[in-house]
Amino acid sequence: DAKTTQPNSMESNEEEPVHLPCNHSTISGTDYIHWYRQLPSQGPEYVIHGLTSNVNNRMASLAIAEDRKSSTLILHRATLRDAAVYYCILRDSEGNQFYFGTGTSLTVIP
Amino acid sequence: DTGVSQDPRHKITKRGQNVTFRCDPISEHNRLYWYRQTLGQGPEFLTYFQNEAQLEKSRLLSDRFSAERPKGSFSTLEIQRTEQGDSAMYLCASSLARWDGYTFGSGTRLTVV
Repeated sequence: DAKTTQPNSMESNEEEPVHLPCNHSTISGTDYIHWYRQLPSQGPEYVIHGLTSNVNNRMASLAIAEDRKSSTLILHRATLRDAAVYYCILRDSEGNQFYFGTGTSLTVIP
Repeated sequence: DTGVSQDPRHKITKRGQNVTFRCDPISEHNRLYWYRQTLGQGPEFLTYFQNEAQLEKSRLLSDRFSAERPKGSFSTLEIQRTEQGDSAMYLCASSLARWDGYTFGSGTRLTVV
């Protein structure tokens, strides 16, 4: 699986939007972009995934660059419960495993 | 089904002892995965089952590690002759199809003393 690059940490104020960036310059045409988050002492939680088009669900939005070399996870209104480590992962069409990396630790300031 | 269940949540064992962890996936999910996570790192893939067949194993899964899913439902992960380096969170996940997101359990935290 291709590698992703994320900032180690970010901060956001509560009730403000958060944009979490991810670079994946070596992405291949068949790689899906997945986002998971992990709260302390819990297993990772699926957030969203996409291939080419922007995606929205109840948790977040995923904006994918036209060249697919980067993406941004958007939390529209951060809450204290959104404080977690966010992982951006590429998954190819044949793979059965995720390569998590170290993710971005998001701190939400009340 | 309330999600993926793992048992126990915590395990402390002496070096050299054998330990076994259990994972109960979401009942209709035929794909089951084991990952290991050490402090400050993201989870690392260990192995993958489709139904009862173990289809993929990481080289992290040394010969002291064995995983089974005998009836295609629950799975066990056994570590023989534990070492201090085995101390980690062991995570289980399941999914219905390859393209679906995974549902992870809360993990089993192993401490080898």
